[in-house]
Amino acid sequence: EAGVTQFPSHSVIEKGQTVTLRCDPISGHDNLYWYRRVMGKEIKFLLHFVKESKQDESGMPNNRFLAERTGGTYSTLKVQPAELEDSGVYFCASSQEGTKFYNEQFFGPGTRLTVL
Amino acid sequence: GESVGLHLPTLSVQEGDNSIINCAYSNSASDYFIWYKQESGKGPQFIIDIRSNMDKRQGQRVTVLLNKTVKHLSLQIAATQPGDSAVYFCAENILTGGGNKLTFGTGTQLKVEL
Repeated sequence: EAGVTQFPSHSVIEKGQTVTLRCDPISGHDNLYWYRRVMGKEIKFLLHFVKESKQDESGMPNNRFLAERTGGTYSTLKVQPAELEDSGVYFCASSQEGTKFYNEQFFGPGTRLTVL
Repeated sequence: GESVGLHLPTLSVQEGDNSIINCAYSNSASDYFIWYKQESGKGPQFIIDIRSNMDKRQGQRVTVLLNKTVKHLSLQIAATQPGDSAVYFCAENILTGGGNKLTFGTGTQLKVEL
């Protein structure tokens, strides 16, 4: 079974440009999460989808970030316009729906974004 | 891979020795804790977890200890191997309707010396 995949693996853009990151979760996983790690610091939560609905977007830094998950399958995270401080690694994770106390989140390899 | 060495605490151990990685958490309401391993160029990978009603849990070569009184977690790796070299993160699990929200610690870089 394929794991979580992310595209692109690396992206280098100039300040003010737009970038769109894509995440394909594990097939059948209703929960999809975006996290990011900037400046080698801790990994921070951005938002959580349940199917196509945004369940929690409390971690989104500002309105330059827009996440979508049309159809409840893959998700995109668009940054427009990008700023220098947006540089970092963006991780996507997915987990199954269920009543388990904890549904393990499986992480993708991340997209390294560099804003010049 | 990521350039994390300048910003992260680093633990260097000799191959075969035991490693202890520590983590402090802040939310006394957290009910579940997970240790992740992140190798260069890869995403975080689950290692071991522990619920808040436990103080110790053992896996294969790894043990997690939880001290709720001082809000402290530790990860012990027995007989550390070169393949254990990675960044290790602890994470608190906070339930949010229908899913789980992870809050990660800063991370510790483990370097295994031959």
